[in-house]
Amino acid sequence: KAGVTQTPRYLIKTRGQQVTLSCSPISGHRSVSWYQQTPGQGLQFLFEYFSETQRNKGNFPGRFSGRQFSNSRSEMNVSTLELGDSALYLCASSLGSGRGNEQFFGPGTRLTVL
Amino acid sequence: GDSVTQMEGPVTLSEEAFLTINCTYTATGYPSLFWYVQYPGEGLQLLLKATKADDKGSNKGFEATYRKETTSFHLEKGSVQVSDSAVYFCAPPGGFKTIFGAGTRLFVKA
Repeated sequence: KAGVTQTPRYLIKTRGQQVTLSCSPISGHRSVSWYQQTPGQGLQFLFEYFSETQRNKGNFPGRFSGRQFSNSRSEMNVSTLELGDSALYLCASSLGSGRGNEQFFGPGTRLTVL
Repeated sequence: GDSVTQMEGPVTLSEEAFLTINCTYTATGYPSLFWYVQYPGEGLQLLLKATKADDKGSNKGFEATYRKETTSFHLEKGSVQVSDSAVYFCAPPGGFKTIFGAGTRLFVKA
């Protein structure tokens, strides 16, 4: 069974630009969560999607948005990039939403904002 | 709100030393805790799960335990190897704004 895949793996953008990251969950998984990982803040939850609906959202500005498609693939968009958005963005998929569901992580997309 | 407190690192050990990493969380109702490992340049991988019911999870020589007297979870390995050098995270099971511990970086010297 293929694992969680994320594209692209690496991305370099400049301030003010926007970026879209993609995540394909494990087949059959309907929940996708996104996290931002930085050396200073650690792993921070961005949002979770289940059956094309955003179930939960972390404390990030509105520049961060996401969506999920009917095949459970998810995209995350960051508009008006800032230097502080440089991070490793991880997505995780699970069978269901809510506590008790084991999450499987992708390798991440390393975003560098210059 | 819920919070997860994880032992701060970095932890530096020599090969074959004993490892223990601690983790506690404040929320009630979570029946278990997951331990994840992140090797350099990679995403997180689930290492194992510990439950409050005294079930010890184990994988790759690691054991996850829960100690009632201190209400804390522990990740342990009797003899670490250089290849165990990574960052270890604890987290309650997924969903509902999963909160991860800050991560404990482990360096194992040959």
